[in-house]
Amino acid sequence: GIQVEQSPPDLILQEGANSTLRCNFSDSVNNLQWFHQNPWGQLINLFYIPSGTKQNGRLSATTVATERYSLLYISSSQTTDSGVYFCAVGAGGANSKLTFGKGITLSVRP
Amino acid sequence: GAVVSQHPSRVICKSGTSVKIECRSLDFQATTMFWYRQFPKQSLMLMATSNEGSKATYEQGVEKDKFLINHASLTLSTLTVTSAHPEDSSFYICSANGQGYEQYFGPGTRLTVT
Repeated sequence: GIQVEQSPPDLILQEGANSTLRCNFSDSVNNLQWFHQNPWGQLINLFYIPSGTKQNGRLSATTVATERYSLLYISSSQTTDSGVYFCAVGAGGANSKLTFGKGITLSVRP
Repeated sequence: GAVVSQHPSRVICKSGTSVKIECRSLDFQATTMFWYRQFPKQSLMLMATSNEGSKATYEQGVEKDKFLINHASLTLSTLTVTSAHPEDSSFYICSANGQGYEQYFGPGTRLTVT
């Protein structure tokens, strides 16, 4: 099956700093999603981005499908950005399963 | 849009009893729903894929007789943990997608077996 690697595993930032989270995957995909898991366990959809670039406020993401990686950018980080960020990929048709990376734990200090 | 709910949010049960967890898509029809399990400080592991009106497909190593999945309608899937034991204590999360590729996740159910 597809392998998903996220880096770095842990990240500590000062409030206001910028960061880049990386997701590498081992095969062609037609689904790639970034999630933020909040302290209560809820996964919040950040981006559906199998290719290209998207932006939503302080967050943006880029997936280079030909090189099998995706990047999530967080600018002007806030303490509420703390939590675990997951990248998940899928390679089947619509309604196919996702394979998750191990996640990146982000801590933003005030 | 694309809201998925789970009930209950947390449950404590005694060893040997069964527990049912519901997953509902509130504002869309979900042809496929997925059940995941997450242990503390770990990633999500897919347990099974359920399609409305057909038998669930279980991932390797998941006991289908222990984790019963029913997807009786386009908005409801249930996971029943039968004869629960302390090692079944975990965070169970469902997800659903409608017509496209994007999956939407429920808030999770924390199961504690005593």
